Amino acid sequence: AQKVTQAQTEISVVEKEDVTLDCVYETRDTTYYLFWYKQPPSGELVFLIRRNSFDEQNEISGRYSWNFQKSTSSFNFTITASQVVDSAVYFCALLSQGAQKLVFGQGTRLTINP
Amino acid sequence: EPEVTQTPSHQVTQMGQEVILRCVPISNHLYFYWYRQILGQKVEFLVSFYNNEISEKSEIFDDQFSVERPDGSNFTLKIRSTKLEDSAMYFCASRGQSTDTQYFGPGTRLTVL
Repeated sequence: AQKVTQAQTEISVVEKEDVTLDCVYETRDTTYYLFWYKQPPSGELVFLIRRNSFDEQNEISGRYSWNFQKSTSSFNFTITASQVVDSAVYFCALLSQGAQKLVFGQGTRLTINP
Repeated sequence: EPEVTQTPSHQVTQMGQEVILRCVPISNHLYFYWYRQILGQKVEFLVSFYNNEISEKSEIFDDQFSVERPDGSNFTLKIRSTKLEDSAMYFCASRGQSTDTQYFGPGTRLTVL
């Protein structure tokens, strides 16, 4: 069975600090996809990134970076120089190849204080 | 940029009433989904739909639920007889043929009184 664990329920930091959101997943499949979605206070789910299980290259997009470590089944998300607009709930999700359903973690509520 | 839209944004209904939640997926997408999020909890898969039929459903998606693509653009979720525990945010999502990324709509907040 697939499972995603986001152990950090809530994180609060001061603006401009760096923050890392942890995601650990479980799957028996060899091919799968990992995602991060952002849910701002307005409630929608915004796609941030997709990674497939064969691509362990880390990715950087502006202030956002993702660290995929297959050996530890982790797909962590770092925000550098955080801003108040980064305040949101962030979800990590897993999709097995050939499957239809995304399996979400519990989410991490990130609060950036001015 | 194309996006998934959902109506209404908020629906309030009495227990036992039928509700229909509406979604317009991204126009060239072929796979459609419904998820729900009970307040403060994680997002849970309900059902996937492809080629005019359900391709996968969760145990939450019981006989009270149904989905339909009544025309070329809309995708609906019907709850026949709502219960208090159906109160949640319902998200529609869609994806294209050549990607595994599901794009979500803004959600419909359903409140059952």
